Amino acid sequence: NAGVTQTPKFQVLKTGQSMTLQCAQDMNHEYMSWYRQDPGMGLRLIHYSVGAGITDQGEVPNGYNVSRSTTEDFPLRLLSAAPSQTSVYFCASSYRGQSSGANVLTFGAGSRLTVL
Amino acid sequence: AQSVAQPEDQVNVAEGNPLTVKCTYSVSGNPYLFWYVQYPNRGLQFLLKYITGDNLVKGSYGFEAEFNKSQTSFHLKKPSALVSDSALYFCAVRDDTGFQKLVFGTGTRLLVSP
Repeated sequence: NAGVTQTPKFQVLKTGQSMTLQCAQDMNHEYMSWYRQDPGMGLRLIHYSVGAGITDQGEVPNGYNVSRSTTEDFPLRLLSAAPSQTSVYFCASSYRGQSSGANVLTFGAGSRLTVL
Repeated sequence: AQSVAQPEDQVNVAEGNPLTVKCTYSVSGNPYLFWYVQYPNRGLQFLLKYITGDNLVKGSYGFEAEFNKSQTSFHLKKPSALVSDSALYFCAVRDDTGFQKLVFGTGTRLLVSP
């Protein structure tokens, strides 16, 4: 049981380049989300999905696209990278319910992105 | 919209002493409250949550938190700190009307000295 897997762990881009951060979970969680972590700002929600085919914007969605074609995968696309997108990105998943583990986010290990 | 405030950037405590990491929140409706911990170069790990029931919630690694509705607070506590508790702690909240949009605070760094 791998949990939430993010790739790559590190990436350096030049301004204007595009790339995709991959996120996969093997827990059959219906809810998946992307956060970015910046010093002094905590974690900010970029996009989220409550199921396959359903996505919505979070607090800071500009410059990012997502899709959810399967329950397992939730890739985050940077369309035209900017230095302001230099950050650590976390993917997380959870499920709805009444059990003790419900509504608890399981996080990936993170992807550190630097845009020059 | 919901929000979380963690008023202390850093909390320093000596090993063996009790610790408190503060969190206040704002949400319409009933809150779902969480504490997560992040060790260096790692993802976040769940510590505990409050959804309903007893105001004192016990979680992993000996941590507990007290929900105070009148003060809109959810402070994290531990009776006796360990050096290994040194990490970055995040409080988070969402309302009870949806499944999404968990909002995090800015984090509090806990430093436990030997």
